[in-house]
Parts: sequence; C-alpha cells; structure tokens
Amino acid sequence: ETGVTQSPTHLIKTRGQQVTLRCSSQSGHNTVSWYQQALGQGPQFIFQYYREEENGRGNFPPRFSGLQFPNYSSELNVNALELDDSALYLCASSQPIGAGAYEQYFGPGTRLTVT
Amino acid sequence: GIQVEQSPPDLILQEGANSTLRCNFSDSVNNLQWFHQNPWGQLINLFYIPSGTKQNGRLSATTVATERYSLLYISSSQTTDSGVYFCAAVRYSGGGADGLTFGKGTHLIIQP
Repeated sequence: ETGVTQSPTHLIKTRGQQVTLRCSSQSGHNTVSWYQQALGQGPQFIFQYYREEENGRGNFPPRFSGLQFPNYSSELNVNALELDDSALYLCASSQPIGAGAYEQYFGPGTRLTVT
Repeated sequence: GIQVEQSPPDLILQEGANSTLRCNFSDSVNNLQWFHQNPWGQLINLFYIPSGTKQNGRLSATTVATERYSLLYISSSQTTDSGVYFCAAVRYSGGGADGLTFGKGTHLIIQP
C-alpha cells in the first residue's frame, strides 16, 4: 500500500509569484484535503476535494485554489504569494466511511518559503 | 466551527515515565484523531477514536464523547516519543466537507 506523497519537499519563492504543490493520495482513497501549518501552530484546513470537485473550504482567500485529477491526485495553487504564506503545506487523503467520518492520512509536507 | 483545546502545552519527562495528554472539544464530533508530528513535520497517525478506548503498544487513547474530551496515554516513555502531539476533530455540518480542526498541540520532551 502506497502512502500519501507530496512534491516538492522544499520550495523558495518570491513575493508576488505563483506556486503549485502536488499530492498523490494513498491507494484506495478518493478524497484529498490540504492544510497550512505556520511555524509553532497546528495545521489549518484550506479545502477538500472529492470526485474532482471542491466540496469544503476553510477560511482562506480565493488566491488559494486547487484541482483533483481522475486518479485522485491533487494540486494546490497559490497566486500572488505573500510573506505570510511561508508555511508547511500538508496534504491528507481519506476514504469516507460515513457521514463526516473519515480517517485522514497525511503526507510528509512541502515547506514553502516566500522571500 | 468546533473548538479544540489541548493540555498541557509543554511537558518534560524522564525516560520511563508515564504521561497523559488531554484534548477538550466544544461539540459532538464525527471524527477525532491523535497525531505525533516528528521533527521533519510528518504527521503520524496514532489513533482514530471518535469514541471508546483503543490501545497500540505503549500508547492508548480514550474518548468520552458525551463529556467532550479525549485522553492520550503514553507509558514507559522513550526519547523517540519526543515531539508534538496533536488532537484534531471534525463535526459534520451537513453542508459540505469540514476539515479537521487541530488543537495547538502538546510539545513533549523525553530526557534520557
């Protein structure tokens, strides 16, 4: 069984640029969620994709967008990068087992630094 | 949305000691998970436990859903247990997916 993978591991961007982060879900999982973890904080929910559509979103502006592909892999895109976007970005995959009940499994993360 | 609070924020113990970490949540939950975040940032699943009790080796967890808290027990601590422990929960609102809400974590240091 293949776990959740993310790429790249580290990334350095300049303020105002755009970035794309990638995630491959664990085999058998059809749902992908993205989280942002600032230094010293717990992860915060960005959005979730199910069957290639966004079906839930946290308190993040529209410049955070995503995609899910037929093989359930996903991308997180961030436009007009700001210094505060510097964080660890975590992807989690899951297979819903009931209303709102789904154990999430996390990838190793992508550490983004915006200068 | 749901609120998740963890205590204590920091805990320093000697190797071999036992510890109890607590997680309080503000509403009934559909999902509650405990994670260990290693120094490289990887979140490692410890327990999926919206209710009841589970054990895995030296670790065990209990969630009392009616009283809105969960406890993580670590027995005979080892230095490799050091790191940040997160509790995270979600309450299904029926209007689309809600992600996990994380507490601020308990930073555990096990000294040799």
